[in-house]
Amino acid sequence: GAVVSQHPSRVICKSGTSVKIECRSLDFQATTMFWYRQFPKQSLMLMATSNEGSKATYEQGVEKDKFLINHASLTLSTLTVTSAHPEDSSFYICSARVGQNKGYTFGSGTRLTVV
Amino acid sequence: DAKTTQPPSMDCAEGRAANLPCNHSTISGNEYVYWYRQIHSQGPQYIIHGLKNNETNEMASLIITEDRKSSTLILPHATLRDTAVYYCIVTGSARQLTFGSGTQLTVLP
Repeated sequence: GAVVSQHPSRVICKSGTSVKIECRSLDFQATTMFWYRQFPKQSLMLMATSNEGSKATYEQGVEKDKFLINHASLTLSTLTVTSAHPEDSSFYICSARVGQNKGYTFGSGTRLTVV
Repeated sequence: DAKTTQPPSMDCAEGRAANLPCNHSTISGNEYVYWYRQIHSQGPQYIIHGLKNNETNEMASLIITEDRKSSTLILPHATLRDTAVYYCIVTGSARQLTFGSGTQLTVLP
């Protein structure tokens, strides 16, 4: 089946530094990728939608200058958390639509801890 | 996207069928019903989806009522590894998935 590979699975960084998270579609082309964030004991919250070759669309309340999304190819989308702070510590998950009416597949998630 | 309502938690005995209900009374004609589950600290896993007809795959069955206002996910023989949060999501075919709070299913030995 369609697989999205997400790396790293967990990362610890110092406050003020930037962290890049990668998501690759391994056996299909992902025209659109979605980025979610999940805080402990909460549900997934959509952060942004990225389309290959164009600017990402951010949900209300998500700072586009802080969460930089690049979707330069049909198989790779990246999320960069810039100038990370402890409140950015969360579980970040990417997702891609597999095809028309075929559902969505998710990455395994990245646990970000900012110290 | 149509809003869904699910019970916050359910228990099921190992080996028995787990029936997880979902209400989506405001669903529109072109919206699909998707079911995903999330085991702790992992990405959501696709289970099944449908539009109008009942669906079955190797993981589960999806029963959608005739008026499409509710559905039931059936895990025919629950195992301990089926313990997870189950999300029922209703969305149009080209839109993103919006997650509610889901149902925490606990399979008991």
